[in-house]
Amino acid sequence: DVKVTQSSRYLVKRTGEKVFLECVQDMDHENMFWYRQDPGLGLRLIYFSYDVKMKEKGDIPEGYSVSREKKERFSLILESASTNQTSMYLCASKTQIYEQYFGPGTRLTVT
Amino acid sequence: RKEVEQDPGPFNVPEGATVAFNCTYSNSASQSFFWYRQDCRKEPKLLMSVYSSGNEDGRFTAQLNRASQYISLLIRDSKLSDSATYLCVAPNQGGKLIFGQGTELSVKP
Repeated sequence: DVKVTQSSRYLVKRTGEKVFLECVQDMDHENMFWYRQDPGLGLRLIYFSYDVKMKEKGDIPEGYSVSREKKERFSLILESASTNQTSMYLCASKTQIYEQYFGPGTRLTVT
Repeated sequence: RKEVEQDPGPFNVPEGATVAFNCTYSNSASQSFFWYRQDCRKEPKLLMSVYSSGNEDGRFTAQLNRASQYISLLIRDSKLSDSATYLCVAPNQGGKLIFGQGTELSVKP
């Protein structure tokens, strides 16, 4: 059974703080993704990675960076959190061909 | 035109009803499609994959119409527990999976 875990289910941070969201998958998947999900806007891709140390910008990368030092771990970094980054953040992983599996999500509130 | 488009609903149906959702996609070269289910405040979970003409799993049937570039999800004998948002997914020309905004289903007693 595929397992994708995220470091926190709920997080509250202050404007300007640096925020780290961690994601770990246990299925040796090459590809990992970070999305944010907002009401009325659906899932939007922030960044993805198809291999260790490789990263690609998604549709909304501004204000975010990522790190993939190990195959199983993909981190999302908010360099200086802002209130418009309050959202549900979802990590996902997949093999080259098949469907994506999501982690439980982190609900981030920036005050 | 959006790459993947769904009617957001909500679809309100009584228990036991049959309900169908459609999803249109723009990339005519797409080969694989997925339906995900998302419960309120939870992550999306894979419901069905569609690789050829269609797929059936119990009360759920997914069909693909390549000529018209849409996939459909049919739910028979709806249960209260089927209430959720259903996300349609298709790859774009770059191979990235594109998620529709979702169709909300509410099954009433």
